[in-house]
Amino acid sequence: KQEVTQIPAALSVPEGENLVLNCSFTDSAIYNLQWFRQDPGKGLTSLLLIQSSQREQTSGRLNASLDKSSGRSTLYIAASQPGDSATYLCAVVTMGRRALTFGSGTRLQVQP
Amino acid sequence: SQTIHQWPATLVQPVGSPLSLECTVEGTSNPNLYWYRQAAGRGLQLLFYSVGIGQISSEVPQNLSASRPQDRQFILSSKKLLLSDSGFYLCAWNGKGLNNQPQHFGDGTRLSIL
Repeated sequence: KQEVTQIPAALSVPEGENLVLNCSFTDSAIYNLQWFRQDPGKGLTSLLLIQSSQREQTSGRLNASLDKSSGRSTLYIAASQPGDSATYLCAVVTMGRRALTFGSGTRLQVQP
Repeated sequence: SQTIHQWPATLVQPVGSPLSLECTVEGTSNPNLYWYRQAAGRGLQLLFYSVGIGQISSEVPQNLSASRPQDRQFILSSKKLLLSDSGFYLCAWNGKGLNNQPQHFGDGTRLSIL
């Protein structure tokens, strides 16, 4: 059974810092990995999707990497801003399944 | 562009009452549709998914059910709600493909059971 773990559970940084969020998964047979952002009481906003054949994806100040063989992904946020404050969720689609398996998230607070 | 709508946004129901949550997708056809639940202090858990009209797969046994009466409509129901059904319910969709399409989520329904 796939399990997804995110470390740290919570993170507080001053504005302008570069930061890394970590995600690990136990079954490396995945189709893809997706990073989401969730604001309090809101739905999920898709940030980046990395296919199993890819190593990284970039969108603006966000860069996500994938090391499928070791079961790890990182989300790098450059020059963090207070508006980046949210919970970041990592999720994978495991081969043989259609739906996402989620980690429990990292709650990020960027202090102005 | 594609959009996904969920309603209601919030709902307060007594134990034992019925439930109907609706999700519709616009701007695409023949999507895969999903219902997830996010309970307090827990991660997102898949409840149901559907690859087509009338086709429903259940991930966990529970007193909830799902139906897909139309291509872009997905309904989550219960005949009698339990306290444990409280949570944040999210609908999602993605396109057909080799399981490599990103999932897009609605704004969710917050359900409180009294």
